[in-house]
Amino acid sequence: EIVMTQSPATLSVSPGERATLSCRASQSLSSNLAWYQQKPGQAPRLLIYDASTKATGIPARFSGSGSGTEFTLTISSLQSEDFAVYYCQQYNYWPRTFGQGTKVEIK
Amino acid sequence: QVQLVESGGGLVKPGGSLRLSCAGSGFIFSDYYMSWFRQAPGKGLEWVSYISSSGSTKYYADSVKGRFTISRDDANNSLYLQMDSLRAEDTAVYYCARKWGPVDYWGQGTLVTVSS
Repeated sequence: EIVMTQSPATLSVSPGERATLSCRASQSLSSNLAWYQQKPGQAPRLLIYDASTKATGIPARFSGSGSGTEFTLTISSLQSEDFAVYYCQQYNYWPRTFGQGTKVEIK
Repeated sequence: QVQLVESGGGLVKPGGSLRLSCAGSGFIFSDYYMSWFRQAPGKGLEWVSYISSSGSTKYYADSVKGRFTISRDDANNSLYLQMDSLRAEDTAVYYCARKWGPVDYWGQGTLVTVSS
């Protein structure tokens, strides 16, 4: 099973600042990686797939990069609605696995 | 618009059974493979089961293999998860999802609590 490791566990950021979240895979994924946002009491929402392609309706301030085993989600200027937990998921191997999540909180 | 609506969650005793349902709308249900994921309280996301668009291929996480059964009824745009021999560690919010990676649409989730 592919192990996905996200860092940091918690990221404290002020509104308007840039946030950089990392995700590392135990084996190469090519670009088969997605990022999701989850707010309390809500289902996850797809942000990024294929490592860098924005899902429908996702604001331009979200961007994804990376390939192989190292991936990054960047939020260029944090808005109040962006404070949430973010998960990465690999879909190159069975079973599909997720990172443990990064909580982005208000500083 | 695409909608997935789960139902069937609740409180069940260890060793008991529960059947979750998911009603899909706003898309051609039979064209898509579907999945179930779950999230234990305060924990991360875990994939549970997958079914192909034809229903002929099914996969299960090791943690539920032999106890859970996924099925679909395309005539009624519905996905199901039969959960038997439930354990305390199966307590979670269960999400119905379109595809399994990346998941482009999620249901709102249904809570399953296994407790005596």
